[in-house]
Amino acid sequence: AQSVSQHNHHVILSEAASLELGCNYSYGGTVNLFWYVQYPGQHLQLLLKYFSGDPLVKGIKGFEAEFIKSKFSFNLRKPSVQWSDTAEYFCAVNPVLRNFVFGPGTRLSVLP
Amino acid sequence: GAVVSQHPSRVICKSGTSVKIECRSLDFQATTMFWYRQFPKQSLMLMATSNEGSKATYEQGVEKDKFLINHASLTLSTLTVTSAHPEDSSFYICSAAGTGLHYNEQFFGPGTRLTVL
Repeated sequence: AQSVSQHNHHVILSEAASLELGCNYSYGGTVNLFWYVQYPGQHLQLLLKYFSGDPLVKGIKGFEAEFIKSKFSFNLRKPSVQWSDTAEYFCAVNPVLRNFVFGPGTRLSVLP
Repeated sequence: GAVVSQHPSRVICKSGTSVKIECRSLDFQATTMFWYRQFPKQSLMLMATSNEGSKATYEQGVEKDKFLINHASLTLSTLTVTSAHPEDSSFYICSAAGTGLHYNEQFFGPGTRLTVL
């Protein structure tokens, strides 16, 4: 079965630190990839997505992600986090013509 | 981006009662709607997929008689939790995809927190 794993359950950083959240998936065919963010008490928001083309994708709020097909990975990065980035981050994979599969989520806590 | 709303945002009910949750696409026609369940500190689990005018397709392990899904129009889908029990307490989230949007994109509603006493 398809699965999505996220490397860290909880990441704690100080403001201005760099962030990298890992995401790996197990589906071998063509996939679309997403990162969503869920701020405390709010709904899921799309950070960025990859469908095709340049494997380095830029999203909102200074986030970017790199798709490495050979590693089945889609890691999320931000060079300098802010306190307002404290949230839950979900990686999601959408194999073509199939439904979304979400990773377990990574909770990011940014200390002021 | 497209907007999806859910109503109610929170509901508390007694065990044995039924609860209906609405999911609406406000500015686009949602040909497909998805219902997810999210337990505390866990990820979203897809419960079912519904296409407008058709019966919903349920994921393995989801009781279709307990979680009734209706997608009667291009802007509204409802999830009814029948004879709710405390173990049904959860956060229910809908998402929608449809015409005019990239076919692989889903837009999420804000979720409904159900507490069954």
